[in-house]
Amino acid sequence: EAQVTQNPRYLITVTGKKLTVTCSQNMNHEYMSWYRQDPGLGLRQIYYSMNVEVTDKGDVPEGYKVSRKEKRNFPLILESPSPNQTSLYFCASRLSGKVGGREQFFGPGTRLTVL
Amino acid sequence: DAKTTQPNSMESNEEEPVHLPCNHSTISGTDYIHWYRQLPSQGPEYVIHGLTSNVNNRMASLAIAEDRKSSTLILHRATLRDAAVYYCILNAGGTSYGKLTFGQGTILTVHP
Repeated sequence: EAQVTQNPRYLITVTGKKLTVTCSQNMNHEYMSWYRQDPGLGLRQIYYSMNVEVTDKGDVPEGYKVSRKEKRNFPLILESPSPNQTSLYFCASRLSGKVGGREQFFGPGTRLTVL
Repeated sequence: DAKTTQPNSMESNEEEPVHLPCNHSTISGTDYIHWYRQLPSQGPEYVIHGLTSNVNNRMASLAIAEDRKSSTLILHRATLRDAAVYYCILNAGGTSYGKLTFGQGTILTVHP
């Protein structure tokens, strides 16, 4: 089944404790990205990757890191989480970021709470 | 990014058609019109997209105005499972077509 998977689905952590949220897709997609969703602010893009070893900032990249060493994986890293990073996070993938008219596939979400 | 305007909420009865409007008066020639929906506690789900012509798929139909400044998502027979937030999004090239800019969307309530 074609899908985007995220782990963990739920995470409660404390300020400053480094964490990684994994994202994996099995569709051989070139393009992957991370969004966060907050009440009243909608979904905002954090980082995106056009292909392996190619990443760039989205609208709200502060406090986050990403890497794209393999095509299927795009982990989101919070080196020193803070309470304002408490949010619902979605990973997404798309066949290509260069071509219009393509659908984007979203993962099930990771609900992160930073105390 | 060009913006879209949608009603905050709409209601429908089960088995009836639903027409969800979207205004995008600043759309440019290369912007695709995408619709996604988000069911409670799930990630957004692709519904349909179009550029200039009306489109149909198994989930819905998309009617695009001739001047492309507005569009309408049509659910032909609403079911309870269609209750969700529906987002109308202009997918522009620019940096990449991968970026989706979500607004507040329309909350669709379906009554049995």
